[in-house]
Amino acid sequence: TQLLEQSPQFLSIQEGENLTVYCNSSSVFSSLQWYRQEPGEGPVLLVTVVTGGEVKKLKRLTFQFGDARKDSSLHITAAQTGDTGLYLCAGPWRATNKLIFGTGTLLAVQP
Amino acid sequence: ETGVTQSPTHLIKTRGQQVTLRCSSQSGHNTVSWYQQALGQGPQFIFQYYREEENGRGNFPPRFSGLQFPNYSSELNVNALELDDSALYLCASSRGRPTNTGELFFGEGSRLTVL
Repeated sequence: TQLLEQSPQFLSIQEGENLTVYCNSSSVFSSLQWYRQEPGEGPVLLVTVVTGGEVKKLKRLTFQFGDARKDSSLHITAAQTGDTGLYLCAGPWRATNKLIFGTGTLLAVQP
Repeated sequence: ETGVTQSPTHLIKTRGQQVTLRCSSQSGHNTVSWYQQALGQGPQFIFQYYREEENGRGNFPPRFSGLQFPNYSSELNVNALELDDSALYLCASSRGRPTNTGELFFGEGSRLTVL
């Protein structure tokens, strides 16, 4: 069974701080996606990483895919209150668009 | 281009009742997937519909069933509701074959509470 474990589960930080969220699996994934979900909304795709070792940047967010394609990380620099939300990693089940989601990291950025 | 829309947004049912949730996929999208998300957790895959046929199912009992219509909209039906069925039910649509690992577009979800 493919599982994606995220850590930490909860994170409360002050505006301006940096943070890293981890997504780990014992299985190899062909790609991993990161979503952010705000209260009352569905998940919204932030990025897809495809190649082992790949690093992608989206403004203050940096995403990395592990060399072995079993893990990924999301680093946020100088967090803002607008970054508050549930961050989810997700990988495709086999070669399909059925997604296996991680356990989620709930981030609260305090002003 | 309209996004994925779901209805109702919130509903309350009692144990043993049945519920139908509806989803209109994004324009041009022919694949619809349903996910269940318990509070504070990641979504879990229920099933997917492609060309009006079920195309894969997660670890959910048969009382969870669905339909896809010729216009690609979809319904999720849950019979004999249990307290643990309380969750946010998300619909996601995508374009092309289910083997295309492209982006999924999610609706805002239907929040079901079972008392």
